Amino acid sequence: EVQLVESGGGLVQPGGSLRLSCAASGFTFSSYWMSWVRQAPGKGLEWVANIKQDGSEKYYVDSVKGRFTISRDNAKNSLYLQMNSLRAEDTAVYYCARDFLDVWGQGTLVTVSS
Amino acid sequence: QPVLTQPPSSSASPGESARLTCTLPSDINVGSYNIYWYQQKPGSPPRYLLYYYSDSDKGQGSGVPSRFSGSKDASANTGILLISGLQSEDEADYYCMIWPSNAVVFGGGTKLTVL
Repeated sequence: EVQLVESGGGLVQPGGSLRLSCAASGFTFSSYWMSWVRQAPGKGLEWVANIKQDGSEKYYVDSVKGRFTISRDNAKNSLYLQMNSLRAEDTAVYYCARDFLDVWGQGTLVTVSS
Repeated sequence: QPVLTQPPSSSASPGESARLTCTLPSDINVGSYNIYWYQQKPGSPPRYLLYYYSDSDKGQGSGVPSRFSGSKDASANTGILLISGLQSEDEADYYCMIWPSNAVVFGGGTKLTVL
C-alpha cells in the first residue's frame, strides 16, 4: 500500500523551530518529486516547497524562503521540512505529498502561539 | 506566484451535473498546462481526482469514478471539472492546481453543496 505518514508537529512559540518528517512506503521514494503543502485552519491549500528526486533542486513559496528548508533521505525513504523563525501565520496542518500530489499523508498540525 | 481563481461556492441537486471552474491569470495559457483537481472532505486530506491536458492526454486517479471528468475552455483561459450524476457524497471542497516551471499553484477552492 502506498503510504505517507507525517510526524513532528506540535505547539511552538513564535520565533521557534520545528522539524517535520514524512515516512514513505509502498513505492520507490527515490523516483519521485516530493512536496509539502499546508492548510491553515478554515483556509485553502497552500504549496510550501518541493524537492527533486535526488535533492538537487528545491523550490519554496515566497513566504517561507530563508526560513524553511526541505530535504530528503532516499536511503530512509523520508522527507523533511526544517522550519525556523516560525510565525503565527505558519499555523496549519502540514501535508507531504508525492509528485503531482497524487498521494497525500494525513497531515501534522503545527501551531505557532505564545 | 500566480493565482488560480475558483468560485467560492457552487450547488446542485442530486443526479444533476456540477461544473466547477478554475481560471488562470491572463499571462498563463491554459492550453500549455495540465490542470489537476483534488477533492477534500472535512477532517480528511485532499484526494487526487484527475488531470486534464487534452482529450488525448488526461488521467484519472485511482478509484475515481468516471463521472468526474476534466476539460478546458481556451476562450476563457479556464480549466473545468465536471461532475455528472451528483451524489450526496460529492459534497466537498474542490481545488485545482497547476505546476508551471518549479512552483505549484492552487486555486482558492470551491465548496460544492449537494442540495
